[in-house]
Amino acid sequence: GQQVMQIPQYQHVQEGEDFTTYCNSSTTLSNIQWYKQRPGGHPVFLIQLVKSGEVKKQKRLTFQFGEAKKNSSLHITATQTTDVGTYFCAGYGGSQGNLIFGKGTKLSVKP
Amino acid sequence: GAGVSQSPSNKVTEKGKDVELRCDPISGHTALYWYRQSLGQGLEFLIYFQGNSAPDKSGLPSDRFSAERTGGSVSTLTIQRTQQEDSAVYLCASSFRDRGSHEQFFGPGTRLTVL
Repeated sequence: GQQVMQIPQYQHVQEGEDFTTYCNSSTTLSNIQWYKQRPGGHPVFLIQLVKSGEVKKQKRLTFQFGEAKKNSSLHITATQTTDVGTYFCAGYGGSQGNLIFGKGTKLSVKP
Repeated sequence: GAGVSQSPSNKVTEKGKDVELRCDPISGHTALYWYRQSLGQGLEFLIYFQGNSAPDKSGLPSDRFSAERTGGSVSTLTIQRTQQEDSAVYLCASSFRDRGSHEQFFGPGTRLTVL
């Protein structure tokens, strides 16, 4: 079945450093979504990527969807303490399948 | 309501007891999902409802788990004869139509502890 792998599992950075999490699917995706879960909170939708090679930016966050639509990345420039949380990618294979979540990357930021 | 609501927020039960978890989705959202999240882990899909269609139960871990959605709105997840490994946060989400092409709005979750 479809699998979505996400690395790294944990990332500890100093405030101001950059951060990247990567997501890989075993199959071609129709679209990919990214969510953020703050400690003690619930996942909150960040963005959806649909097109091959798509790049979207939200302030310091840059999201990319691979040309083959099997991988994606989230890059945060100059991390802040407010970026702390777990970032999940979720891939949708289409054809009435389900949105498959990666296991997430837990980001901690040291001030 | 303004968002997805779930109740109770916390539930402590004894092994072998049955529990019911409730989810109120966002008004107008026809798709509803249940997930399970164990401590520090990802989201495990349990069940999906879309309108009046038969639910996708492919993620339910055992026949002790069942869910209903009445009137296309409120959903109840029932766990019978709870086991300690059922301890987790149960998250409900809703979206506007479709399975994967629309963002999912998550509720705050119900933290279930089975003693």
